Amino acid sequence: AQSVAQPEDQVNVAEGNPLTVKCTYSVSGNPYLFWYVQYPNRGLQFLLKYITGDNLVKGSYGFEAEFNKSQTSFHLKKPSALVSDSALYFCAVRDIGTGRRALTFGSGTRLQVQP
Amino acid sequence: ETGVTQTPRHLVMGMTNKKSLKCEQHLGHNAMYWYKQSAKKPLELMFVYNFKEQTENNSVPSRFSPECPNSSHLFLHLHTLQPEDSALYLCASSLVQVNGELFFGEGSRLTVL
Repeated sequence: AQSVAQPEDQVNVAEGNPLTVKCTYSVSGNPYLFWYVQYPNRGLQFLLKYITGDNLVKGSYGFEAEFNKSQTSFHLKKPSALVSDSALYFCAVRDIGTGRRALTFGSGTRLQVQP
Repeated sequence: ETGVTQTPRHLVMGMTNKKSLKCEQHLGHNAMYWYKQSAKKPLELMFVYNFKEQTENNSVPSRFSPECPNSSHLFLHLHTLQPEDSALYLCASSLVQVNGELFFGEGSRLTVL
């Protein structure tokens, strides 16, 4: 079975500082990995994905994530946080070997960026 | 109109009511999904439809009844719900042939009294 862990319920960072939101995954085969963001009273918006190739992937709004196969991690990063980045962030995985198209999500990490 | 549209955005119902949630996608996708989002819990996959056929039902109670009349529309029929069913219900769509991301609607916030 596939699973995702987001070990931090909340991450606090000052505006202008770098941010990291952690994600680890478990799959039996090879993973496709995704990050989504959710603003209050909204649905999930896609940020970026790792399918294959370069381990560092870049996405929307200046976010990037690094795929680390040995540590089974896919941490979300941004060099300089903005107050407007404050939101709920979800990591998700799809196990390529299963043929399933549905994503398995983590429990989410709330990012709070202080001015 | 583009993307994935969910109606109603908010719904309050009693435990004996019957109501339905509607999802429509304008992206030309052929797979549709229902997820349940409760506070401080991972998103729970409920149902998956590929080309109008149900391919996954993750042990969802029968008081939730999905319907997918075509690849663009997905319904979730609700009856005799419990207060613990109160949550945000999210619809998503994707292309079966592409191993890419899911596209989500804004969600329907359900409150069961």
